[in-house]
Amino acid sequence: AQKITQTQPGMFVQEKEAVTLDCTYDTSDPSYGLFWYKQPSSGEMIFLIYQGSYDQQNATEGRYSLNFQKARKSANLVISASQLGDSAMYFCAMRESDNYGQNFVFGPGTRLSVLP
Amino acid sequence: DVKVTQSSRYLVKRTGEKVFLECVQDMDHENMFWYRQDPGLGLRLIYFSYDVKMKEKGDIPEGYSVSREKKERFSLILESASTNQTSMYLCASSVRGGYEVYNEQFFGPGTRLTVL
Repeated sequence: AQKITQTQPGMFVQEKEAVTLDCTYDTSDPSYGLFWYKQPSSGEMIFLIYQGSYDQQNATEGRYSLNFQKARKSANLVISASQLGDSAMYFCAMRESDNYGQNFVFGPGTRLSVLP
Repeated sequence: DVKVTQSSRYLVKRTGEKVFLECVQDMDHENMFWYRQDPGLGLRLIYFSYDVKMKEKGDIPEGYSVSREKKERFSLILESASTNQTSMYLCASSVRGGYEVYNEQFFGPGTRLTVL
C-alpha cells in the first residue's frame, strides 16, 4: 500500500494566486514527521517545510504553509501568491520512527505550473 | 554552506559494466541515503547507511550494493548495469536524531544515468 499519496499529477495556477497541493499519508506510528520538497527542472531537491505529528499548530515558512489534518491523515501544502519560479515538481514525504531513525518515504509528486 | 556532492551529473554506461556513483557530504551527518527517481514513482529508497560500514536495504536494493568506508562518503555500485537501471539517482544525508527532532534530508544534485 502506498504510504504517501499525491493525487494531482499536474496542477496549473495563475501567477499571484494561491494553490493547494494535496498529500495524504498512511502510518500507524504515533510519532512521525511530514516534509515537502520542491524540485525545479535543474534537479536539486529543496526542502520547504516540516510538520511533526505532535505539533499543535500548522507549520508556516514564508509563502508556504502546511494544512495538517491529523485525523484525516492529510498534509496539504499551500503556496500563497504564486510566482513563476514556483513552477516545479513538489514531493510530500514522511519520516517514521525506526531503529536508526529517519527513513523517508516519498510520494509520486505533483508538477506545478504557474501561468503568467 | 552545507553541501552534498555527487561525482557526476550525467553518466552513460553500457549493459554489463560496473558503475560507481559517489556521494560526499560535508555536514558530518550520520545518515546517508541513495534513491532512484523515476517519473510517476517519486523517489524510491535503494539503500541507506546510519554509520560507517553500516548499511540497510531500502525498498529496491536488487541489482545494487553500497559502500561506506568513511563517514562523509557513500558509494552506490551497480555490479552489472542493465537498461532498467537507467534513472536519476539522488544521494541525501541527514543527522541521526530522536523522533521529534527536526531532521530534514539534504540532497545532492543528482546523477542521471543512462545504460545502453
